[in-house]
Amino acid sequence: AQSVTQLDSQVPVFEEAPVELRCNYSSSVSVYLFWYVQYPNQGLQLLLKYLSGSTLVKGINGFEAEFNKSQTSFHLRKPSVHISDTAEYFCAVSLEYGNKLVFGAGTILRVKS
Amino acid sequence: AAGVIQSPRHLIKEKRETATLKCYPIPRHDTVYWYQQGPGQDPQFLISFYEKMQSDKGSIPDRFSAQQFSDYHSELNMSSLELGDSALYFCASSSPPLRGEPYEQYFGPGTRLTVT
Repeated sequence: AQSVTQLDSQVPVFEEAPVELRCNYSSSVSVYLFWYVQYPNQGLQLLLKYLSGSTLVKGINGFEAEFNKSQTSFHLRKPSVHISDTAEYFCAVSLEYGNKLVFGAGTILRVKS
Repeated sequence: AAGVIQSPRHLIKEKRETATLKCYPIPRHDTVYWYQQGPGQDPQFLISFYEKMQSDKGSIPDRFSAQQFSDYHSELNMSSLELGDSALYFCASSSPPLRGEPYEQYFGPGTRLTVT
């Protein structure tokens, strides 16, 4: 069965600083990879996804992620964060089209002024 | 653009009562997924339906049941509610792969269930 590990439960960072949220997955087969953001008391919004092709994926709000098959990682990055990026970020995997999502435990990004 | 609709948005029930959560997927989406997110936890997959048939089952208690109707909306029925059922319940939908659209699960805003 596949699993997802988000290595940091909380990441504090100052505004305009770069940030990286780490995600590692475990699966014996190819997977689809996703990053979702959840603002307080709201639903899940897709930031970006990797299905195939280029390993560098660009998403909304200036976020990007790089798929590294050898390290089974899919780290999320943003070169300059804003206060409004404060939220919880979930990494998720899916085995195939139409399959359930398996989420990591989430990383709370706290952007300080 | 149309999104996934969930109702009600908030629900308060007492222990041992029943609850029904509804999900209306994006038009032309034929797959519906249900997830449960407990306080401070990540979303956990409960069950999914494809073309009105159950397609996958996760950690869904026997007290819960769900179905997808002919118009593709889905309902999650929860009986003998327990305090531990208090959570945010998400519904998501996705489109058929044959349409050539990139795979993505679109999430609804969730139903917050509080069991007292």
